[in-house]
Amino acid sequence: RKEVEQDPGPFNVPEGATVAFNCTYSNSASQSFFWYRQDCRKEPKLLMSVYSSGNEDGRFTAQLNRASQYISLLIRDSKLSDSATYLCVVRGGGGADGLTFGKGTHLIIQP
Amino acid sequence: GAVVSQHPSWVICKSGTSVKIECRSLDFQATTMFWYRQFPKQSLMLMATSNEGSKATYEQGVEKDKFLINHASLTLSTLTVTSAHPEDSSFYICSARTGEAYGYTFGSGTRLTVV
Repeated sequence: RKEVEQDPGPFNVPEGATVAFNCTYSNSASQSFFWYRQDCRKEPKLLMSVYSSGNEDGRFTAQLNRASQYISLLIRDSKLSDSATYLCVVRGGGGADGLTFGKGTHLIIQP
Repeated sequence: GAVVSQHPSWVICKSGTSVKIECRSLDFQATTMFWYRQFPKQSLMLMATSNEGSKATYEQGVEKDKFLINHASLTLSTLTVTSAHPEDSSFYICSARTGEAYGYTFGSGTRLTVV
């Protein structure tokens, strides 16, 4: 079983649409959770951390369900510039400090 | 914000040669640097964790004699791919924790092609 699983997509959605991504993780001891964005052939950039209470940053909303080991990202009013690969990332568990990445979900916003 | 500078951005080398990749933290001290690699259409995989002044910790399946990591100062960590082969062709990227809500800053990555 993969440590962090995501639907790879691609998701093709029209500009202005709302789109949601899901992610599950296998290590119940994981401590920190993030969504990163990666553009083609570039380094990942932090989009937002994810907290148990859920958190929002502008058009982006992230949710964490520790009991189900499930993380989600919601993008509202999508823009063309949102086209990218979205990486679900988990840290920790057993003293490990490095990040574990999902394969990413590829999002294409169409005009 | 915190910046990690990684060089070179890309390199093409002949099979059997060694390639050194550098990562520098520009405006903060990186006690710990993480090295990842990403094959096409795959996720980033942690290769090793380097701590300033001590030996790196390698993930299972990563050959420590092939991927030499040096973290001699708080602002510089290097990864040397020794005797590179075509199967080592990949996107190598470093990362340091910036201490802000456990955020991590990534270098811009190095695309290595071994021919």
